Amino acid sequence: DARVTQTPRHKVTEMGQEVTMRCQPILGHNTVFWYRQTMMQGLELLAYFRNRAPLDDSGMPKDRFSAEMPDATLATLKIQPSEPRDSAVYFCASGLTGRTGNQPQHFGDGTRLSIL
Amino acid sequence: GESVGLHLPTLSVQEGDNSIINCAYSNSASDYFIWYKQESGKGPQFIIDIRSNMDKRQGQRVTVLLNKTVKHLSLQIAATQPGDSAVYFCAENMPLNSGGYQKVTFGTGTKLQVIP
Repeated sequence: DARVTQTPRHKVTEMGQEVTMRCQPILGHNTVFWYRQTMMQGLELLAYFRNRAPLDDSGMPKDRFSAEMPDATLATLKIQPSEPRDSAVYFCASGLTGRTGNQPQHFGDGTRLSIL
Repeated sequence: GESVGLHLPTLSVQEGDNSIINCAYSNSASDYFIWYKQESGKGPQFIIDIRSNMDKRQGQRVTVLLNKTVKHLSLQIAATQPGDSAVYFCAENMPLNSGGYQKVTFGTGTKLQVIP
Protein backbone atom coordinates (compact mmCIF):
# COMPACT_ATOMS: atom_id res chain seq x y z
CA ASP A 1 0.00 0.00 0.00
CA ALA A 2 1.18 3.51 -0.76
CA ARG A 3 1.98 5.47 2.38
CA VAL A 4 2.79 8.98 3.49
CA THR A 5 6.31 8.96 4.90
CA GLN A 6 7.41 11.38 7.61
CA THR A 7 10.89 11.95 8.96
CA PRO A 8 12.14 12.04 11.60
CA ARG A 9 9.75 9.97 13.69
CA HIS A 10 11.08 11.52 16.88
CA LYS A 11 12.97 14.73 17.55
CA VAL A 12 14.22 16.09 20.86
CA THR A 13 16.02 19.41 20.86
CA GLU A 14 16.59 22.48 22.97
CA MET A 15 14.54 25.61 22.67
CA GLY A 16 15.87 28.09 20.18
CA GLN A 17 17.03 25.41 17.76
CA GLU A 18 15.70 25.09 14.23
CA VAL A 19 13.53 22.06 13.56
CA THR A 20 12.78 20.70 10.10
CA MET A 21 10.17 18.01 9.54
CA ARG A 22 9.81 16.29 6.19
CA CYS A 23 6.99 14.55 4.43
CA GLN A 24 6.82 12.48 1.29
CA PRO A 25 3.21 12.46 0.10
CA ILE A 26 1.66 9.58 -1.78
CA LEU A 27 2.64 9.68 -5.44
CA GLY A 28 -0.10 11.28 -7.50
CA HIS A 29 -1.78 13.10 -4.65
CA ASN A 30 -2.26 16.82 -5.28
CA THR A 31 -3.01 18.04 -1.76
CA VAL A 32 -0.77 18.08 1.30
CA PHE A 33 -1.76 19.00 4.83
CA TRP A 34 0.24 19.65 7.98
CA TYR A 35 -1.44 19.07 11.35
CA ARG A 36 -0.37 19.40 14.94
CA GLN A 37 -1.82 17.14 17.62
CA THR A 38 -1.70 17.82 21.35
CA MET A 39 -3.70 16.57 24.29
CA MET A 40 -5.07 20.04 24.92
CA GLN A 41 -5.98 21.12 21.39
CA GLY A 42 -6.53 17.86 19.56
CA LEU A 43 -5.81 17.86 15.83
CA GLU A 44 -5.18 21.34 14.41
CA LEU A 45 -4.67 22.19 10.75
CA LEU A 46 -1.50 24.21 10.24
CA ALA A 47 -1.15 24.41 6.46
CA TYR A 48 -2.72 23.16 3.28
CA PHE A 49 -1.12 22.87 -0.16
CA ARG A 50 -2.77 22.10 -3.45
CA ASN A 51 -0.62 21.36 -6.48
CA ARG A 52 2.34 22.55 -4.36
CA ALA A 53 0.81 26.00 -3.86
CA PRO A 54 -0.03 27.09 -0.31
CA LEU A 55 -3.78 27.66 -0.04
CA ASP A 56 -4.21 28.08 3.67
CA ASP A 57 -1.68 28.55 6.42
CA SER A 58 -3.91 30.53 8.74
CA GLY A 59 -3.49 27.95 11.48
CA MET A 60 0.27 28.36 11.56
CA PRO A 61 2.18 30.87 13.72
CA LYS A 62 3.82 32.94 10.99
CA ASP A 63 6.63 34.34 13.05
CA ARG A 64 8.34 31.02 13.61
CA PHE A 65 6.71 28.42 11.38
CA SER A 66 7.11 27.98 7.65
CA ALA A 67 5.84 25.32 5.27
CA GLU A 68 7.05 24.67 1.75
CA MET A 69 6.84 22.14 -1.06
CA PRO A 70 10.12 22.28 -2.98
CA ASP A 71 8.79 19.60 -5.31
CA ALA A 72 5.87 17.22 -5.61
CA THR A 73 7.62 14.53 -3.57
CA LEU A 74 8.65 16.64 -0.59
CA ALA A 75 6.87 18.89 1.87
CA THR A 76 8.69 20.55 4.76
CA LEU A 77 7.60 22.19 7.97
CA LYS A 78 10.18 24.33 9.76
CA ILE A 79 10.16 25.91 13.18
CA GLN A 80 12.75 28.59 13.91
CA PRO A 81 13.30 29.31 16.72
CA SER A 82 11.58 26.42 18.48
CA GLU A 83 9.86 26.86 21.85
CA PRO A 84 8.71 24.33 24.48
CA ARG A 85 5.05 25.03 23.57
CA ASP A 86 5.78 23.62 20.10
CA SER A 87 6.11 20.15 21.62
CA ALA A 88 3.50 18.00 19.91
CA VAL A 89 3.04 15.33 17.29
CA TYR A 90 3.10 16.79 13.78
CA PHE A 91 1.26 14.91 11.08
CA CYS A 92 1.45 15.23 7.35
CA ALA A 93 -1.41 14.00 5.19
CA SER A 94 -1.92 13.88 1.45
CA GLY A 95 -5.00 13.52 -0.67
CA LEU A 96 -6.52 13.90 -4.08
CA THR A 97 -9.00 16.60 -4.98
CA GLY A 98 -10.49 16.90 -8.39
CA ARG A 99 -13.64 17.18 -10.42
CA THR A 100 -14.95 13.91 -9.02
CA GLY A 101 -15.02 15.43 -5.57
CA ASN A 102 -13.05 15.07 -2.41
CA GLN A 103 -11.15 12.03 -1.34
CA PRO A 104 -10.01 11.10 2.17
CA GLN A 105 -6.66 12.28 3.41
CA HIS A 106 -3.99 9.70 4.10
CA PHE A 107 -1.83 10.38 7.12
CA GLY A 108 1.76 9.60 7.93
CA ASP A 109 2.70 8.29 11.36
CA GLY A 110 3.87 11.70 12.53
CA THR A 111 6.94 13.36 14.01
CA ARG A 112 6.91 13.44 17.80
CA LEU A 113 8.65 16.70 18.70
CA SER A 114 9.90 17.56 22.16
CA ILE A 115 11.41 20.98 22.81
CA LEU A 116 13.31 21.16 26.08
CA GLY B 1 -16.69 21.65 15.24
CA GLU B 2 -13.89 23.05 17.30
CA SER B 3 -11.67 20.49 18.95
CA VAL B 4 -11.16 21.10 22.63
CA GLY B 5 -9.08 18.07 23.51
CA LEU B 6 -9.32 18.56 27.25
CA HIS B 7 -11.14 15.31 27.90
CA LEU B 8 -11.55 12.45 25.50
CA PRO B 9 -14.93 10.69 25.75
CA THR B 10 -14.49 6.97 26.26
CA LEU B 11 -16.75 4.17 25.11
CA SER B 12 -16.22 0.76 26.68
CA VAL B 13 -17.70 -2.18 24.79
CA GLN B 14 -17.64 -5.90 25.35
CA GLU B 15 -15.93 -7.89 22.63
CA GLY B 16 -18.51 -9.12 20.14
CA ASP B 17 -20.99 -6.36 20.87
CA ASN B 18 -21.78 -3.55 18.46
CA SER B 19 -20.29 -0.09 19.00
CA ILE B 20 -21.82 3.24 18.11
CA ILE B 21 -19.66 6.35 18.10
CA ASN B 22 -21.34 9.70 17.63
CA CYS B 23 -20.17 13.01 16.26
CA ALA B 24 -21.86 16.39 15.99
CA TYR B 25 -20.55 18.59 13.21
CA SER B 26 -20.85 22.34 13.04
CA ASN B 27 -21.19 23.49 9.44
CA SER B 28 -24.38 22.87 7.51
CA ALA B 29 -22.45 23.62 4.30
CA SER B 30 -20.11 20.66 4.85
CA ASP B 31 -20.54 18.18 2.02
CA TYR B 32 -18.14 15.36 2.80
CA PHE B 33 -17.50 13.46 6.02
CA ILE B 34 -14.88 10.95 7.02
CA TRP B 35 -14.24 8.66 9.96
CA TYR B 36 -10.67 7.97 11.01
CA LYS B 37 -9.19 5.49 13.47
CA GLN B 38 -6.04 6.39 15.36
CA GLU B 39 -4.03 3.78 17.21
CA SER B 40 -1.36 4.72 19.72
CA GLY B 41 1.79 6.03 18.08
CA LYS B 42 0.26 6.12 14.63
CA GLY B 43 -1.45 8.58 12.36
CA PRO B 44 -5.21 8.62 11.75
CA GLN B 45 -6.26 5.89 9.37
CA PHE B 46 -9.20 6.23 6.98
CA ILE B 47 -12.15 3.97 7.80
CA ILE B 48 -15.14 5.13 5.81
CA ASP B 49 -16.54 8.26 4.21
CA ILE B 50 -19.91 9.61 3.15
CA ARG B 51 -21.02 12.49 0.97
CA SER B 52 -23.84 14.80 1.90
CA ASN B 53 -26.17 13.39 -0.76
CA MET B 54 -26.30 10.10 1.15
CA ASP B 55 -27.58 9.23 4.60
CA LYS B 56 -26.02 5.79 5.03
CA ARG B 57 -22.99 3.96 3.79
CA GLN B 58 -21.76 0.50 4.69
CA GLY B 59 -18.33 -1.02 4.66
CA GLN B 60 -16.91 -4.17 6.10
CA ARG B 61 -18.25 -4.30 9.68
CA VAL B 62 -18.70 -0.52 9.70
CA THR B 63 -21.65 1.69 8.84
CA VAL B 64 -21.76 5.46 8.78
CA LEU B 65 -25.04 7.31 9.23
CA LEU B 66 -25.50 10.97 8.37
CA ASN B 67 -28.36 13.09 9.66
CA LYS B 68 -28.06 16.51 8.06
CA THR B 69 -31.14 17.85 9.81
CA VAL B 70 -29.45 17.74 13.20
CA LYS B 71 -25.86 17.76 11.87
CA HIS B 72 -25.04 14.40 13.33
CA LEU B 73 -22.77 11.63 12.17
CA SER B 74 -22.38 8.17 13.66
CA LEU B 75 -20.07 5.23 13.15
CA GLN B 76 -21.36 1.77 13.89
CA ILE B 77 -18.93 -1.10 14.31
CA ALA B 78 -20.42 -4.58 14.23
CA ALA B 79 -19.02 -7.41 16.36
CA THR B 80 -16.37 -5.22 17.97
CA GLN B 81 -12.95 -6.82 18.29
CA PRO B 82 -9.95 -6.02 20.52
CA GLY B 83 -8.18 -4.65 17.44
CA ASP B 84 -10.85 -1.99 17.17
CA SER B 85 -9.56 -0.33 20.35
CA ALA B 86 -8.39 3.13 19.27
CA VAL B 87 -9.43 6.76 19.14
CA TYR B 88 -12.00 7.52 16.46
CA PHE B 89 -12.28 10.93 14.82
CA CYS B 90 -14.91 12.32 12.54
CA ALA B 91 -13.93 15.01 10.04
CA GLU B 92 -16.08 17.37 8.00
CA ASN B 93 -15.11 19.00 4.71
CA MET B 94 -16.68 22.33 3.89
CA PRO B 95 -16.09 23.84 0.44
CA LEU B 96 -14.99 27.44 0.71
CA ASN B 97 -14.73 28.52 -2.90
CA SER B 98 -15.19 27.30 -6.43
CA GLY B 99 -11.49 26.57 -6.68
CA GLY B 100 -11.89 23.32 -4.83
CA TYR B 101 -10.51 24.41 -1.47
CA GLN B 102 -12.14 22.77 1.49
CA LYS B 103 -11.96 23.58 5.16
CA VAL B 104 -11.35 20.35 7.03
CA THR B 105 -12.31 20.21 10.68
CA PHE B 106 -11.71 17.26 12.96
CA GLY B 107 -13.85 16.37 15.94
CA THR B 108 -12.47 15.88 19.43
CA GLY B 109 -12.28 12.11 19.12
CA THR B 110 -13.77 9.21 21.06
CA LYS B 111 -11.69 6.53 22.67
CA LEU B 112 -13.07 3.03 22.13
CA GLN B 113 -12.03 0.41 24.67
CA VAL B 114 -12.90 -3.17 23.84
CA ILE B 115 -13.19 -5.46 26.83
CA PRO B 116 -12.12 -9.02 26.00
